[in-house]
Amino acid sequence: AQKVTQAQTEISVVEKEDVTLDCVYETRDTTYYLFWYKQPPSGELVFLIRRNSFDEQNEISGRYSWNFQKSTSSFNFTITASQVVDSAVYFCALSEWDSGGSNYKLTFGKGTLLTVNP
Amino acid sequence: EAQVTQNPRYLITVTGKKLTVTCSQNMNHEYMSWYRQDPGLGLRQIYYSMNVEVTDKGDVPEGYKVSRKEKRNFPLILESPSPNQTSLYFCASSLFWGTGRNTDTQYFGPGTRLTVL
Repeated sequence: AQKVTQAQTEISVVEKEDVTLDCVYETRDTTYYLFWYKQPPSGELVFLIRRNSFDEQNEISGRYSWNFQKSTSSFNFTITASQVVDSAVYFCALSEWDSGGSNYKLTFGKGTLLTVNP
Repeated sequence: EAQVTQNPRYLITVTGKKLTVTCSQNMNHEYMSWYRQDPGLGLRQIYYSMNVEVTDKGDVPEGYKVSRKEKRNFPLILESPSPNQTSLYFCASSLFWGTGRNTDTQYFGPGTRLTVL
């Protein structure tokens, strides 16, 4: 069964600090997808990234970067020079891709509440 | 404008009174899904659909039904709501990520806050 662990329940940083949110996953499949989502205090859900298991290249998008390491089953998310607007709950998620094409369930971690203080 | 709409946004109802939460997307996406969010439990997938007439259970399907008769709509049906279905519900759509590009985006509806008394 697939499982996602976000061990950090809450993180508090001061603006301009770099912060890394950890995500560790478990899966028996060789083909799977990993996701990160953001939920700001206003409550909407925002998709940030999807990465497939064949692509271990790190991804950078502005101040956001993602480090995918199959060897440690981790897909960590780093915010560089954090800003108050980055304050949100961040969710990591996993979707296994059954070779029979029948399983596209999405399993979420419990989320990490990031607070960026001015 | 690309969007996922959900209705109603807020609903207070009573146990046993059938209700439907609608979800519609305007992006011709194959994949649609429903999630519920509860304090302490995070986000959990209820049902998903990979295309018209193709649906499957997520982690918490009990007490819910879905249908996908048209590509754009994916309603969530609670035949006999109970208080433990009080939750915040999100609908989402995306291209089918098995064939989509890594740059494709998943879009979420604004959420439906449901209270079952």
